[in-house]
Parts: sequence; C-alpha cells; structure tokens
Amino acid sequence: GAVVSQHPSWVICKSGTSVKIECRSLDFQATTMFWYRQFPKQSLMLMATSNEGSKATYEQGVEKDKFLINHASLTLSTLTVTSAHPEDSSFYICSASDQGLTEQYFGPGTRLTVT
Amino acid sequence: DQQVKQNSPSLSVQEGRISILNCDYTNSMFDYFLWYKKYPAEGPTFLISISSIKDKNEDGRFTVFLNKSAKHLSLHIVPSQPGDSAVYFCAASYGKLTFGQGTILTVHP
Repeated sequence: GAVVSQHPSWVICKSGTSVKIECRSLDFQATTMFWYRQFPKQSLMLMATSNEGSKATYEQGVEKDKFLINHASLTLSTLTVTSAHPEDSSFYICSASDQGLTEQYFGPGTRLTVT
Repeated sequence: DQQVKQNSPSLSVQEGRISILNCDYTNSMFDYFLWYKKYPAEGPTFLISISSIKDKNEDGRFTVFLNKSAKHLSLHIVPSQPGDSAVYFCAASYGKLTFGQGTILTVHP
C-alpha cells in the first residue's frame, strides 16, 4: 500500500523558536496533502489542505501566519510552526492523497513539545 | 459544532465476541464514511469505508453498516481479537474528512 512518512517523529523546542515538520509520500505522487492536529483524547482536527504548487487552504481558526505550509513537490509537504508556544504542543499528522479524499494515507505523526 | 460523534469513549470485549463501534453524524451532505484504526503515537490506518448509496460493506472480519435516515453508522468486528485493541475513529467526507472523537477498544484474551 501507499506509504507516507513524517520527520521528525518527536521534537522538543523552546518557546519562541520555529519547528519544521516534513511529510513525504514514498511510493506515489500526492497531489493533495492534509495536515491534522490531535490533542490528547480528542479527534483529529484538519488544519489545512495543500495542493502541489499552490497555496494551502486553512480551516477556520487556524492561523496561516503561524502554521506555514509548503507543498513544493508531489512527494513533499512541510509544516512550519513559527514562534512556537507551549499551547502548540500537540500531535501533528499529515496525510496524502492522489485520488481524492476517499483515498487518504496517513503518516505516523510528529509529537511536538514546546517548553 | 461536533458534526461526527462517537459517544462511547471506550469499549471492552472478550476475545471471540463481536465488537460494535457506533458513530453518529449531523451533516446530511456527508457522502462517504470511513473507519480508521489508530495506535498511540502513530497515524491512523484505513480499515473500511462505505458510500452513502449503500447500507452495508463487508471486508473480512469488519462490516460497516450505514443508516442514513438515522444518520448513524456502526463498525462490527467479528470475531474480535486482542490485536484489534486500538482507538477507532469514524470519519465522514464532504469536501474534507471530519473525524469523530474516537473509541478505545480493548479486546481481552
């Protein structure tokens, strides 16, 4: 099946710094990539949708200047959390699709802890 | 506004018995429904899906039922195995995926 990787799997950073998370589709071309966030014991919340070569579409309430998303190629999307604060600590998961929303393949997730 | 709800945060089942996970939704525009399985610190894994034009889809031990009039879907796992222990999320699609809160399934040997 289709494989999606994320790097890093776990990161600790200091408040005020920026962190970049990579999401890669390893064996298929992802025309669309999605970024989700999950708080403990809560559901996955869609943050933004990105299509290769165009600007990401952010969900209501998600600050686009804080969560920078770049989808520069058909196999790579990055999420940069700028000026991170402790409340940004969460589990960030990406997914990728090449056939529309009914076929989404999820990455393993990245645990971000901001101290 | 929680458009997809899984009202049972946890479910405990004996090995070999049936596990029934439930999910309710409010948006009648949803046209595709999916179930995902998730282990701690990992991304979700797709299990099974169903289109809104169907009322049942079966794949091995997993069967998903859709009741559109009640805006309810359920996932049946028969027989349940200890390896099925995980968090199960239902998701509904209309332009994007909306997830429920998840149900922790524990299958006891």
